[in-house]
Parts: sequence; C-alpha cells; structure tokens
Amino acid sequence: EAQVTQNPRYLITVTGKKLTVTCSQNMNHEYMSWYRQDPGLGLRQIYYSMNVEVTDKGDVPEGYKVSRKEKRNFPLILESPSPNQTSLYFCASSFTPGQYNEQFFGPGTRLTVL
Amino acid sequence: GQNIDQPTEMTATEGAIVQINCTYQTSGFNGLFWYQQHAGEAPTFLSYNVLDGLEEKGRFSSFLSRSKGYSYLLLKELQMKDSASYLCAVLDSNYQLIWGAGTKLIIKP
Repeated sequence: EAQVTQNPRYLITVTGKKLTVTCSQNMNHEYMSWYRQDPGLGLRQIYYSMNVEVTDKGDVPEGYKVSRKEKRNFPLILESPSPNQTSLYFCASSFTPGQYNEQFFGPGTRLTVL
Repeated sequence: GQNIDQPTEMTATEGAIVQINCTYQTSGFNGLFWYQQHAGEAPTFLSYNVLDGLEEKGRFSSFLSRSKGYSYLLLKELQMKDSASYLCAVLDSNYQLIWGAGTKLIIKP
C-alpha cells in the first residue's frame, strides 16, 4: 500500500530533551516536507527536500533540523524542544513540488512539550 | 505578503449544497488545490485547478478565476461524512504551497 508513515503518533516530552520524529514514504517520491498545524493558523511548512541531500527552510524552520540521506526517509529533529513547539506535525511527499502533483500526508504526530 | 482567505466555519444541512470560497494574493500562481481534513486526521487531496473554469468530480466541484484571485469548492448532496475542514492552497511562483487556515464545515441532520 502506497503510504507515508510517521512515528511516533503521540509524544509528550519535556523542555530541552532532544527528539526525532521519523517519516518514511514508499512511493519513490522526490519531494518531501514537514508541516506544523496549529489552530487558526493552518499548515505552515517547516522544511522541505527536493531530493536526497537537498533540503531547504520553509516558513518556520527555527528550532528544527532535518536530513535526507535516503530518498524514502525524512526525519524531523528537535534538538532542544520548547513549549511553543507543541503542535500537530505532518510529513508529506509528492513526485515533485510542481503542478498537478498532489501531496500525500502522513497520519500526523501530536507533540506536547512541557 | 502572501495571503489566502477562507471563512473560518460554515454550517449546512444534510442533502443540501454548500459553497466554500477562497481568495488569494500570492507571488505568482501555478495552481490551486483543495484538500479535505477530518478532525485529527491527515489532509487528503480533493482537486487541482490551474485554468479558469469549473472542474467537476462527483459530488464535488472546484472553480477558479485567476483574474479575480478566487476559487470555490462546491459540495452537493451533503452527507454527514462531509463534516470536515476544507483547506485551500496555492502553488506560488517558486512552486511552494501557501495554505489557507481552512474552513470547518459542520453538517446538521
């Protein structure tokens, strides 16, 4: 089954404790991205990747890191989480970022930072 | 700046028709997407418009007017399962998606 998977689905952590949210897709997509979704603000892009070893900042990259060492995986790293990073996070992928290409979203990771 | 406007919330009756509007001001335009998102779930693709006019897909239709910076999503024969948020997103000149905050649609029996 073609899908985007994320782990963990739910996470409660404390300020400053490094964490990684994994994202994997099995559709051979070139383009992957991370979003956060907060009430009233819609989806905001954190980082995106056009292909292996190519990553770039989105609209809200502060406090996050990513890597793209393999085509299928795009982990999101929070080196020192803070309470303002409490949010719902989605990973998404598509063949390319261009026209006609819908994005496929993972199921989401609900993160709470105390 | 870039901006996408949608109503925050709408209410409609089962079996009726509802139109969800989206206006946009972006740096360039390479298409407009509509996604559906049920509470606590991931967004799923509904439609894509890049040329002016109406695209029909079953009970859902999407309209675009590039000159007016305007789109709408039309949902017919509403069902309870259509209760969800509907997200409008525009692909700008750099092929980055700019997302609206979404419209929460409440369907009443």
